[in-house]
Amino acid sequence: NAGVMQNPRHLVRRRGQEARLRCSPMKGHSHVYWYRQLPEEGLKFMVYLQKENIIDESGMPKERFSAEFPKEGPSILRIQQVVRGDSAAYFCASSPAGVNYEQYFGPGTRLTVT
Amino acid sequence: DAKTTQPPSMDCAEGRAANLPCNHSTISGNEYVYWYRQIHSQGPQYIIHGLKNNETNEMASLIITEDRKSSTLILPHATLRDTAVYYCIVIRYNQGGKLIFGQGTELSVKP
Repeated sequence: NAGVMQNPRHLVRRRGQEARLRCSPMKGHSHVYWYRQLPEEGLKFMVYLQKENIIDESGMPKERFSAEFPKEGPSILRIQQVVRGDSAAYFCASSPAGVNYEQYFGPGTRLTVT
Repeated sequence: DAKTTQPPSMDCAEGRAANLPCNHSTISGNEYVYWYRQIHSQGPQYIIHGLKNNETNEMASLIITEDRKSSTLILPHATLRDTAVYYCIVIRYNQGGKLIFGQGTELSVKP
């Protein structure tokens, strides 16, 4: 059973460009969570999604950031007009149906904004 | 949610038991204790969780005091691969799915 997959693993964007981060949950998992880890800082929750629904986006910056988890395909975290402060590791996690704190994390996407 | 306090760092000799403490003196009756770890730059990994009874799985044991104000994660035979940051997280089960990570304990297993 493949684990949570994230791609790309490394992404370099210039200021003002868009970044799209993809997350494929584990087979059978319908809940996806995104977390961000800024350099030398802890992990911060961003958003929690089920298929086609955003359940909790309390950790998402109000502007430029959006997330989706369509009926088919991976979950996407989209950052528009990136700035240097968006440089971080972005981790996706998944869990089976139901509120579940046993979350399985992917390897992360390292975003560097130049 | 209850706040947790963990020592910022600990050392352990390879092959010895690593005992990682966590204080959660304001924990409520319906809050669980979860442990995760993050090996350098990798995604966090779930280890174990418990409510009030001691728990054991293939990775670790979790000892929760009778008053539930503190707990200890035990790695019975630490290896170099156990070097990581360990996070103790207290969760109220109806709060939604998010995990709130603190600073954790950086465990260094030395040969």
